[in-house]
Amino acid sequence: DAGVIQSPRHEVTEMGQEVTLRCKPISGHNSLFWYRQTMMRGLELLIYFNNNVPIDDSGMPEDRFSAKMPNASFSTLKIQPSEPRDSAVYFCASSRDRAELFFGEGSRLTVL
Amino acid sequence: QKEVEQNSGPLSVPEGAIASLNCTYSDRGSQSFFWYRQYSGKSPELIMSIYSNGDKEDGRFTAQLNKASQYVSLLIRDSQPSDSATYLCAVHNFNKFYFGSGTKLNVKP
Repeated sequence: DAGVIQSPRHEVTEMGQEVTLRCKPISGHNSLFWYRQTMMRGLELLIYFNNNVPIDDSGMPEDRFSAKMPNASFSTLKIQPSEPRDSAVYFCASSRDRAELFFGEGSRLTVL
Repeated sequence: QKEVEQNSGPLSVPEGAIASLNCTYSDRGSQSFFWYRQYSGKSPELIMSIYSNGDKEDGRFTAQLNKASQYVSLLIRDSQPSDSATYLCAVHNFNKFYFGSGTKLNVKP
C-alpha cells in the first residue's frame, strides 16, 4: 500500500508569494494532520481533520495559513502571503480512527 | 508545561549496549503512546506503540509504560550504528497527537 504522499518535496519561494502544499493520505484513513517541524520548536500540530471536517485549527499560526480537505484523498495547506519565518518542514500524517499516525516524507519550504 | 517532555540528548552509547530513552507526559487522561524514529532529513517513522501499563517487546525494542508515574520509556538492546537517530515520544490525547522534542541517540561503533 502507498503511504502518505506529499508534494512538493522542496519549495523555494520569495517572501509574499503564495505557497500550496498537498497531501494524499493513506487509503482508508479517516484522520489527517498537518504538522510543522523546526529545530527551535520541534513538531507542532497545525490542524487536523476527521472525516474531511476540520476539527481543531488552534495550531494554525496566523490567518495567512489555511487548510482544506475537499475529499477523503486530498488535502492542501496554503500560506498566503509567505514570510521567511514560515521556512520549515511541513508534514502531513494520517491515521484510521485516530490510532497510529503515519507520516508523509514532508515538504521542505524555504521562504527567501 | 509541555504536554510531552524528553531529554534532548545527545545520548551516546557504544555499539552492542542498551540505549534507554525516557519520556514523561502531563495529562493523566492520555491513552495511547508511541515511539517514532527520525533520521536526519527524513520523516518520523513509527517503531512502537503501547496502550497499557507494562512492557511491550518487538525485536530489539522494548517500550515500557507506567501510567501512575506518567512515564514512557524505550529500550534498544544490542544498539547498532544504524540506530543513530532522533527518537520522538508521542502521546495521543483528546484526538490529538502530542510530540516531545526528541532525544538524539548516537551509537558509536
